[in-house]
Amino acid sequence: AQKITQTQPGMFVQEKEAVTLDCTYDTSDPSYGLFWYKQPSSGEMIFLIYQGSYDQQNATEGRYSLNFQKARKSANLVISASQLGDSAMYFCAMREESRTGNQFYFGTGTSLTVIP
Amino acid sequence: DAGITQSPRHKVTETGTPVTLRCHQTENHRYMYWYRQDPGHGLRLIHYSYGVKDTDKGEVSDGYSVSRSKTEDFLLTLESATSSQTSVYFCAISEQENTGELFFGEGSRLTVL
Repeated sequence: AQKITQTQPGMFVQEKEAVTLDCTYDTSDPSYGLFWYKQPSSGEMIFLIYQGSYDQQNATEGRYSLNFQKARKSANLVISASQLGDSAMYFCAMREESRTGNQFYFGTGTSLTVIP
Repeated sequence: DAGITQSPRHKVTETGTPVTLRCHQTENHRYMYWYRQDPGHGLRLIHYSYGVKDTDKGEVSDGYSVSRSKTEDFLLTLESATSSQTSVYFCAISEQENTGELFFGEGSRLTVL
């Protein structure tokens, strides 16, 4: 089974509108972390936001928020007031702990295009 | 920014030749990872290290080996490169404190002809 599932290969959003990128995860561990990364066309991986499995509130970082629904095992990224610079690939990731440390699993990504 | 450098950044080689990619960090992080990124697959873990001389396999480890003789360096070796190993390779580091997020290098683009 896939650890991380991103079902939207591509998304379009109008500039200044909000957009939600979907992510579901699969784990039986009680302790885990969820991350979103952005990869612009230049190729670097940029950390956006983190949510811990025990965090009661949804994480927010500026225009980014993570809609964490634990029972549904979803961790959707919400980008408010989209900007042209938000056009990029977005990856959802999950961290699990193992006896040898942290394991990270990534989804296949969502390509977001912001339309002027 | 986390101090992670990968070398070489670009390499073209021929099938059957050995290739070594180097990841160097200045953050003294314990954990180091090698991922490959391919269209439609996201990032897949090749190998990782949880300390000097301590390494383990990831989900796509066949055809790859790694070594970590110093905290700061993590080498990925393709003993005999194949065209299926044409990819972009990312090194990443993390620690277990705070969020434990991954910090990535700039990536190394490898083409095997």
